[in-house]
Amino acid sequence: ELKVEQNPLFLSMQEGKNYTIYCNYSTTSDRLYWYRQDPGKSLESLFVLLSNGAVKQEGRLMASLDTKARLSTLHITAAVHDLSATYFCAVDLITTGNQFYFGTGTSLTVIP
Amino acid sequence: DAMVIQNPRYQVTQFGKPVTLSCSQTLNHNVMYWYQQKSSQAPKLLFHYYDKDFNNEADTPDNFQSRRPNTSFCFLDIRSPGLGDTAMYLCATSRDFYNEQFFGPGTRLTVL
Repeated sequence: ELKVEQNPLFLSMQEGKNYTIYCNYSTTSDRLYWYRQDPGKSLESLFVLLSNGAVKQEGRLMASLDTKARLSTLHITAAVHDLSATYFCAVDLITTGNQFYFGTGTSLTVIP
Repeated sequence: DAMVIQNPRYQVTQFGKPVTLSCSQTLNHNVMYWYQQKSSQAPKLLFHYYDKDFNNEADTPDNFQSRRPNTSFCFLDIRSPGLGDTAMYLCATSRDFYNEQFFGPGTRLTVL
């Protein structure tokens, strides 16, 4: 069974600081997704990473994928309060009929 | 705008009283999914449809059933809700397998 682990599970950081969230997965996949979830809300798609070495950036967030290391990172630059949310990575395995395997989630709080 | 719509957004029901949640999509996607998300947990896939082909996850309780009468609509029926079924229920769609999933706003179900 595919396992997807994120760390840290909880992250409290000050505005203006940088930090990285890690997503490790246990089996080969070349498709990884990052989602954001605000409290009580649904999942909002942030990034779709479709190949080894893929890097995507949107505002203060940058995501990358290393399929050989089975690792994706979500880097936060100069955090602002509006980024406070829970972030999930999800890995897609075509061999299992398109089941998304979600990571454990990282709850981010940005403190003014 | 093309989108995924869920109704109702909030539902309160009594223990054992059947409830139906609805999902519709204007994306004309082939695949529709239902997820259950409990507080502070990752979404858990219950089942999915590829067109009219239904796939039930092995650990989805028999209490949960689904219908997809046409491409646009999908329903989640909970026949006899228990207290443990209190959760957010998320509908998602994807154009095909191994594609990005787009999530609806969710239905927050409370079983009393």
